[in-house]
Amino acid sequence: GQNIDQPTEMTATEGAIVQINCTYQTSGFNGLFWYQQHAGEAPTFLSYNVLDGLEEKGRFSSFLSRSKGYSYLLLKELQMKDSASYLCAVLSSGGSYIPTFGRGTSLIVHP
Amino acid sequence: DADVTQTPRNRITKTGKRIMLECSQTKGHDRMYWYRQDPGLGLRLIYYSFDVKDINKGEISDGYSVSRQAQAKFSLSLESAIPNQTALYFCATWTGDSNQPQHFGDGTRLSIL
Repeated sequence: GQNIDQPTEMTATEGAIVQINCTYQTSGFNGLFWYQQHAGEAPTFLSYNVLDGLEEKGRFSSFLSRSKGYSYLLLKELQMKDSASYLCAVLSSGGSYIPTFGRGTSLIVHP
Repeated sequence: DADVTQTPRNRITKTGKRIMLECSQTKGHDRMYWYRQDPGLGLRLIYYSFDVKDINKGEISDGYSVSRQAQAKFSLSLESAIPNQTALYFCATWTGDSNQPQHFGDGTRLSIL
């Protein structure tokens, strides 16, 4: 099976930088996704990592270390609208090749 | 128009009733999924389908059934609803390509009294 861990909740200040971590244990790693989900809404895709290193997309970046089973999502220049849950999902070739989600991290951005 | 459409968006019903949640997609994806989301528990997989003739149970399938009527339609049924099935339900589609994300519907908020 898979074990995916994320912090339950984080708080940060508008304009600051925040890093949301995700650790996982899986066999046959095939990629890791980050999604953003505002309360009561559908998850929306942010990033995908399959190779080690940093992927940058504007204010959002995602990092992966396969050897450590570790990823993080970095949000820069935080805005109030970034208050949301951030979901880490791992794809593995073990089992049925289905993305498995962590419990999500609720980010609260304060003025 | 949304690529993945769920109906209804909200439903309140009573214990013991049969409920059907519907999902249709225009993305042409073969793979479709039903998840439920409860506070603090993330997205948990109920059922998934790789094509019309391939339906599989997820981690929490007890009390649910599904029907894949066509490539574009995947319905979730609660045969006899119980209060602990109160949750937010999401349908998702996927190409199956590892570098492509899943696409989610807007969700169905189901309350069982």
